[in-house]
Amino acid sequence: ETGVTQSPTHLIKTRGQQVTLRCSSQSGHNTVSWYQQALGQGPQFIFQYYREEENGRGNFPPRFSGLQFPNYSSELNVNALELDDSALYLCASSFEQGVVETQYFGPGTRLLVL
Amino acid sequence: EDQVTQSPEALRLQEGESSSLNCSYTVSGLRGLFWYRQDPGKGPEFLFTLYSAGEEKEKERLKATLTKKESFLHITAPKPEDSATYLCAVELRDTGRRALTFGSGTRLQVQP
Repeated sequence: ETGVTQSPTHLIKTRGQQVTLRCSSQSGHNTVSWYQQALGQGPQFIFQYYREEENGRGNFPPRFSGLQFPNYSSELNVNALELDDSALYLCASSFEQGVVETQYFGPGTRLLVL
Repeated sequence: EDQVTQSPEALRLQEGESSSLNCSYTVSGLRGLFWYRQDPGKGPEFLFTLYSAGEEKEKERLKATLTKKESFLHITAPKPEDSATYLCAVELRDTGRRALTFGSGTRLQVQP
């Protein structure tokens, strides 16, 4: 067990709706990253938060946004859902300490957009 | 463009039949290379981090090695419980963020 939890486990939405996914990081981890994993593909980096500030973003449009809170929890918000947003969404937490650190992943949220 | 390529895409082994999975990378600067295991419908599970060419790490039946252009995950005498998708990822040097760039994975099936 990594100590990283995500909710909900599964979600069904329709095109155009908005969704909020939640993640609780491992205690003491100050960095959280979000990834999108399409079926049969490796995870793709969406963005990262370090001490509640966005610390880098992948090739995703602005309708993907996030928040990180002081209690080690974070959110991924997606507006105006599209069919291609159907995927497994993963959060990963790590402790930034100036060297390579390991990202520990949660179980993911499976999102289906109809 | 930074790229991570894994091969083969899928591999079927008999129990006890050793083999290797390959991860080749073309990146501007490598800070670290990671191996993860992922079971269906679950999040990736951390296995190894490699930092520099020549480094090797072992865990049970798995051994990971790193050269300047690729990494290998050697599986010795695999068991059916080793069946999973194995993902390779790199973290790039000279970026402020700690983003991982993943390959598409190798789906390993070990038959009894």
